[in-house]
Amino acid sequence: QQQVKQSPQSLIVQKGGISIINCAYENTAFDYFPWYQQFPGKGPALLIAIRPDVSEKKEGRFTISFNKSAKQFSLHIMDSQPGDSATYFCAAASAGGTSYGKLTFGQGTILTVHP
Amino acid sequence: KAGVTQTPRYLIKTRGQQVTLSCSPISGHRSVSWYQQTPGQGLQFLFEYFSETQRNKGNFPGRFSGRQFSNSRSEMNVSTLELGDSALYLCASSRSSGPSYEQYFGPGTRLTVT
Repeated sequence: QQQVKQSPQSLIVQKGGISIINCAYENTAFDYFPWYQQFPGKGPALLIAIRPDVSEKKEGRFTISFNKSAKQFSLHIMDSQPGDSATYFCAAASAGGTSYGKLTFGQGTILTVHP
Repeated sequence: KAGVTQTPRYLIKTRGQQVTLSCSPISGHRSVSWYQQTPGQGLQFLFEYFSETQRNKGNFPGRFSGRQFSNSRSEMNVSTLELGDSALYLCASSRSSGPSYEQYFGPGTRLTVT
């Protein structure tokens, strides 16, 4: 059962453009939503994360928008650069119980930023 | 502060063998989670350890096991390897256990089963 659906699978953006990746979740118990960036041959690196008590969080060129009623969240990369070319994963987690330490990941988006 | 380290980085094993992978968390982190990453299934949660106790386990067969030591270092073991076990195995550490604690990933161990 895929609990976090991510789209698009791949994305091509010109340098300086805005990259937008979307995720939707089903489990209403999720209350932590991180985004990870992964380069080939590396482990995923935490980019930014949000809790449901806020609708938006910005860190540098990266912004998470969160819509609790729609059970959707998205990553916006402003002024996209060729160095941003990587695979991006959204994830979700819930507190306690049988969910300790478990991140449920989306399928990933391969982002290519052309110079 | 040093990041999460995993050894070995690459491993080639034969079907039917067993393998042990090691993970050293960031200093001060007490929780270690393990994930399997494959092109087809993506990133899937294997299990999580906190204070030497397995707190959570994903939907993997019993051939996959793990443990955590008193210094928070963790190992995972896969017995009777199958071709489908070929994957990147990632461990992630966090300060404590729970979703408010960020998980930081290591570079992974690339396991190839022939």
